[in-house]
Amino acid sequence: DAGVIQSPRHEVTEMGQEVTLRCKPISGHNSLFWYRQTMMRGLELLIYFNNNVPIDDSGMPEDRFSAKMPNASFSTLKIQPSEPRDSAVYFCASSPNPRAYEQYFGPGTRLTVT
Amino acid sequence: EDQVTQSPEALRLQEGESSSLNCSYTVSGLRGLFWYRQDPGKGPEFLFTLYSAGEEKEKERLKATLTKKESFLHITAPKPEDSATYLCAVQRSGNTPLVFGKGTRLSVIA
Repeated sequence: DAGVIQSPRHEVTEMGQEVTLRCKPISGHNSLFWYRQTMMRGLELLIYFNNNVPIDDSGMPEDRFSAKMPNASFSTLKIQPSEPRDSAVYFCASSPNPRAYEQYFGPGTRLTVT
Repeated sequence: EDQVTQSPEALRLQEGESSSLNCSYTVSGLRGLFWYRQDPGKGPEFLFTLYSAGEEKEKERLKATLTKKESFLHITAPKPEDSATYLCAVQRSGNTPLVFGKGTRLSVIA
């Protein structure tokens, strides 16, 4: 199995630009999670989906952030407009179901907003 | 509010020098406590789940233990390849998301 796939691995953009991060979960996994990791705040959950439906988006910092999961094999996290404080590593993770203890993380996307 | 505090923030050990990492937590109705390992430039990798006080889990040189207020990750005779950031997370009862600590950055020097 290829594991969780994220793209791009690195993204550098200017303030005000739209950024789209992509994730392909492990086949057969029904739950998908988006996290953000910074030195200051550690690993924070932004949103998670179960069976393609958003369950909890309380971690999404602002309306500038949005996430979609149009099908079981693809999800996007969009930031529009981006700001320098959005610079972080964004991880996608999947698990067989929301009650499963193991979450499998992707390699992350390092976002730098200048 | 659920809280997870890990200590120390960073730990430097000589190869073979055993030590422990601490994870203190505050959560109402613990469903599980999780340990992950994260290598630089990679996503966290699952290590252990502990469900109740007194439980222990082992994997190679690592042993995780759990009490009602904290968990320890004991590293016995570490090797340089054990160098990584170790993350602790808790989950409250119900379908609630994991809450992560900020991690302990472990360096093992040959």
